[in-house]
Amino acid sequence: LAKTTQPISMDSYEGQEVNITCSHNNIATNDYITWYQQFPSQGPRFIIQGYKTKVTNEVASLFIPADRKSSTLSLPRVSLSDTAVYYCLVGDDNNAGNMLTFGGGTRLMVKP
Amino acid sequence: DAGITQSPRHKVTETGTPVTLRCHQTENHRYMYWYRQDPGHGLRLIHYSYGVKDTDKGEVSDGYSVSRSKTEDFLLTLESATSSQTSVYFCAISGSGLRDTEAFFGQGTRLTVV
Repeated sequence: LAKTTQPISMDSYEGQEVNITCSHNNIATNDYITWYQQFPSQGPRFIIQGYKTKVTNEVASLFIPADRKSSTLSLPRVSLSDTAVYYCLVGDDNNAGNMLTFGGGTRLMVKP
Repeated sequence: DAGITQSPRHKVTETGTPVTLRCHQTENHRYMYWYRQDPGHGLRLIHYSYGVKDTDKGEVSDGYSVSRSKTEDFLLTLESATSSQTSVYFCAISGSGLRDTEAFFGQGTRLTVV
């Protein structure tokens, strides 16, 4: 499984755009890139998933360069409620099953 | 929200006693997972299942066993609980298929071993 590397923490202010980059140098051809958000005392929640180029939904955008060795989660105009830990995962459905392995995540603190 | 429930939500147990945590889903998803999360750490995979009676180890499986006798239930057992197993345990489910890696998580079980 491809391993991921993210910054441990980031600070931002309300109304700013936040970009969190994840490195996954060993990503395999069939791997998708998925981001999760976790609030304290809750389980993680799916945010967005992509394979290449750009994906956008009502919550975030995901930018994936052509070599797919990294990806960037973009949160537009963050609010205090976006304070959470964000996890980047890569993985696919392989012969042994569908393992979901989380890294340490990025702790985002949004300040007033 | 996806139909996934964990029980119990909180438990305090003594060192050396067996403990079983239950994860129940109503989504008929193929894959089920058990994670533990400790303060300041991300989620670490304990065991996962890719079908009835099909399970495999994750990164921190020592001291834990699992069983899945039917699609909707995935049990995590600590045969002899230790203080190092004090943690918050999360169950997750996901569907099948190459593109489907979206997982849904339960609310967690806070286990304290004294």
